[in-house]
Amino acid sequence: EVQLLESGGDLVQPGGSLRLSCAASGFTFSLYAMSWVRQAPGKGLEWVSGISGSGVNTYYADSVKGRFTISRDKSRNTLYLQMNSLRAEDTATYYCAKDRSINFFGLFDPWGQGTLVTVSS
Amino acid sequence: DIQMTQSPSSLPASVGDRVTITCRASQGITNSLAWYQQKPGKAPKLLLYAASRLETGVPSRFSGSGSGTDYILTITSLQPEDFATYYCQQHYSSPLTFGGGTKVEIK
Repeated sequence: EVQLLESGGDLVQPGGSLRLSCAASGFTFSLYAMSWVRQAPGKGLEWVSGISGSGVNTYYADSVKGRFTISRDKSRNTLYLQMNSLRAEDTATYYCAKDRSINFFGLFDPWGQGTLVTVSS
Repeated sequence: DIQMTQSPSSLPASVGDRVTITCRASQGITNSLAWYQQKPGKAPKLLLYAASRLETGVPSRFSGSGSGTDYILTITSLQPEDFATYYCQQHYSSPLTFGGGTKVEIK
């Protein structure tokens, strides 16, 4: 069974940094692209970033480009999201999601349970 | 960026109803359209992809159709477990974008 377990969410001040992790199990991690998708409280879904199975290709939403960095560690079966220069509008539950192929395709199944990031002073 | 517009945003319905949710893309996405279901406090779940292909294990009362810029999710004979929020998402090009969501609620 595929399992995705996010961690690292916290309360952080504006301008601060945070690193999210997503531990994957139940599938061959390096054979699938992965993404982060966020959901602000009471709002809809927003794709944040994606990475190919090899880790070579990365993709970002304009809203986070230059501030967030996605990466993956094959040896640890873990996906990361380094978030810098955090803003109040980054407050959201962050989900990691498995893609359908090794290349970034954009079909998310399944998703983790999410981790909450709150940016506030 | 491709904008995805969903309607309605809220849909009161009763068990047994047939419901339809519409999603319009700001440009053609050649059927690269997925539908997700999200229940309160839970992660979204993929229901359909490529506009009309049902994900394994999803009941056949869910179906999708459409082409070009206009797509529809249909639920025939709504069941109690179907009350949830539904999102469309284009996977035609990056950045990937979602519709604003449709909350199917009890009438």
